[in-house]
Amino acid sequence: NAGVTQTPKFRILKIGQSMTLQCAQDMNHNYMYWYRQDPGMGLKLIYYSVGAGITDKGEVPNGYNVSRSTTEDFPLRLELAAPSQTSVYFCASSAGSLGEQYFGPGTRLTVT
Amino acid sequence: GIQVEQSPPDLILQEGANSTLRCNFSDSVNNLQWFHQNPWGQLINLFYIPSGTKQNGRLSATTVATERYSLLYISSSQTTDSGVYFCAVVPNDYKLSFGAGTTVTVRA
Repeated sequence: NAGVTQTPKFRILKIGQSMTLQCAQDMNHNYMYWYRQDPGMGLKLIYYSVGAGITDKGEVPNGYNVSRSTTEDFPLRLELAAPSQTSVYFCASSAGSLGEQYFGPGTRLTVT
Repeated sequence: GIQVEQSPPDLILQEGANSTLRCNFSDSVNNLQWFHQNPWGQLINLFYIPSGTKQNGRLSATTVATERYSLLYISSSQTTDSGVYFCAVVPNDYKLSFGAGTTVTVRA
């Protein structure tokens, strides 16, 4: 049971490039989340999903897109990367809306 | 949105000391979690504690939901306890909101 996995661990992008951050979970959780953590701060919710085919915006969705075609996978797409998107990105999952959230190891992204 | 305030922002401990971290929140919550972010950035689940008291080894936590606060106790601290401790709550919009964290440094 791997829990929540994320790839890649690190990435450097040039301004204007695009990329997809991958997230997968093997706990059969319906709820999945993407957060970003800026230096010295807590995590902020970007997008979340309550099940396959259903996604919704969090607190800071601008510049990102998500999709949820399966229960296991929840990729995060960055279009036209900007320096303001330099951050550490965490994916999480939970069994329900009030369930305990479990986090992946994070992806450290730098946009220069 | 809900405000989550953690105190103190920074804490320096000598190995073996005890400490208490506090989390105050501005509205009623349905869930509360404590996390430890280690120096490598990994988020480790400590407690899922919407109310009551739980203990896990040298750590324990108490949430008094009616008074809108939670406490995390660290006893006999070790250098491996260093890192940032986050409190996160789920209010009525069902979205986890994080505090800014307490940075703990345990010196040998």
